[in-house]
Amino acid sequence: QVQLKESGPGLVQPSQTLSLTCTVSGFSLTSYNVHWVRQPPGKGLEWMGRMRYNGDTSYNSALKSRLSISRDTSKNQVFLKMNSLQTDDTGTYYCTRDTIYSSYRGFDYWGQGVMVTVSS
Amino acid sequence: DIQMTQSPASLSASLGETVSIECLASEGISNSLAWYQQKPGKSPQLLIYGASSLQDGVPSRFSGSGSGTQYSLKISGMQPEDEGVYYCQQGYKYPYTFGAGTKLELK
Repeated sequence: QVQLKESGPGLVQPSQTLSLTCTVSGFSLTSYNVHWVRQPPGKGLEWMGRMRYNGDTSYNSALKSRLSISRDTSKNQVFLKMNSLQTDDTGTYYCTRDTIYSSYRGFDYWGQGVMVTVSS
Repeated sequence: DIQMTQSPASLSASLGETVSIECLASEGISNSLAWYQQKPGKSPQLLIYGASSLQDGVPSRFSGSGSGTQYSLKISGMQPEDEGVYYCQQGYKYPYTFGAGTKLELK
């Protein structure tokens, strides 16, 4: 069955770099787009960026200077790296997928999320 | 960026009551709209995509409608398990954007 699972450190120091991995199963990264979405505690959802099925990337302009998304299709993994972390980067980070249909189908599967705290 | 204005921010509904949540996009999004439900401590769950298509496994009491810049989610007959926060999201243009959310509680 389709699964996405985020992994990474729960605690990151201010100004350091966050590295997260999304490991997927039940589908191919060359057939679906994988996105990163984050949620500060008690707040709403923010789209961060996307790894397209063909390897192209798109980023939220507010994060673009700090954010990088890459993948290893042989390991079924998508990676997020974000530098210069600050306390307002604290939150739950999700990976999710959408399809490559011409009409929009939404994010149909989500990972469980990983809580990241930025603190010294 | 496309702004998604969601209303109301919160509402309380009685068992069996019909509930509506609205989402207004700052520009036309050609029905590239999805609705999600999120319960405390859980990941969001897709309810509606393409503005009006029901995701597999979602109860038929959920429905979506709208076009252009105005969209709505309707729950026909509130159930206890429908409590949670609901988000709209546009998938028309990058960066994708979400509404601020509507917290729905059972009265």
